Amino acid sequence: DQQVKQNSPSLSVQEGRISILNCDYTNSMFDYFLWYKKYPAEGPTFLISISSIKDKNEDGRFTVFLNKSAKHLSLHIVPSQPGDSAVYFCALKATGGGNKLTFGTGTQLKVEL
Amino acid sequence: EPEVTQTPSHQVTQMGQEVILRCVPISNHLYFYWYRQILGQKVEFLVSFYNNEISEKSEIFDDQFSVERPDGSNFTLKIRSTKLEDSAMYFCASSRGVPYYNSPLHFGNGTRLTVT
Repeated sequence: DQQVKQNSPSLSVQEGRISILNCDYTNSMFDYFLWYKKYPAEGPTFLISISSIKDKNEDGRFTVFLNKSAKHLSLHIVPSQPGDSAVYFCALKATGGGNKLTFGTGTQLKVEL
Repeated sequence: EPEVTQTPSHQVTQMGQEVILRCVPISNHLYFYWYRQILGQKVEFLVSFYNNEISEKSEIFDDQFSVERPDGSNFTLKIRSTKLEDSAMYFCASSRGVPYYNSPLHFGNGTRLTVT
């Protein structure tokens, strides 16, 4: 299943700088896009989402960008904090009913002091 | 803040045995899900449940799997005859309304199933 890819398995950023996490998908049949954060030994925690009719959604330090023509989704975290160190998953919902999410492979973010 | 709780946190079982993974969703939530993550792989959808019936299931969710909401609070996943490849972290999730429009999925902390 190669529909959703996060090509960077890991990312290291200094505290206070911007973290940019990327997610690419291979077909246009998704209408809702989400980002989840996961700490070790915990379940995924919802961060932020965007529907396909928008190209940007902002919530505090987190902004999600959607480029439908490029089939690309990104999450910007600014300023990055040490507590942001976690695995970040993009998750996509298919168009046309059904509630399942298709997850990306995840990116391990490490925010260093 | 209300949480989805899962028990046990770790279950070890022998191949061929039946296991039941238990979840207590958030009390006013109406939609329930099971996902799993095999070590090193993606989080994968298994099944969704609404109004006391399965609303969607994946190819993984074959006849060996079943779900039940036996009372008003618990939501269980049963694997009838476990295989080695069933070893994974199993996540229960719930949402208040139609996901995901202002109603995100809330995940539990998972049950790590090890089949030996």
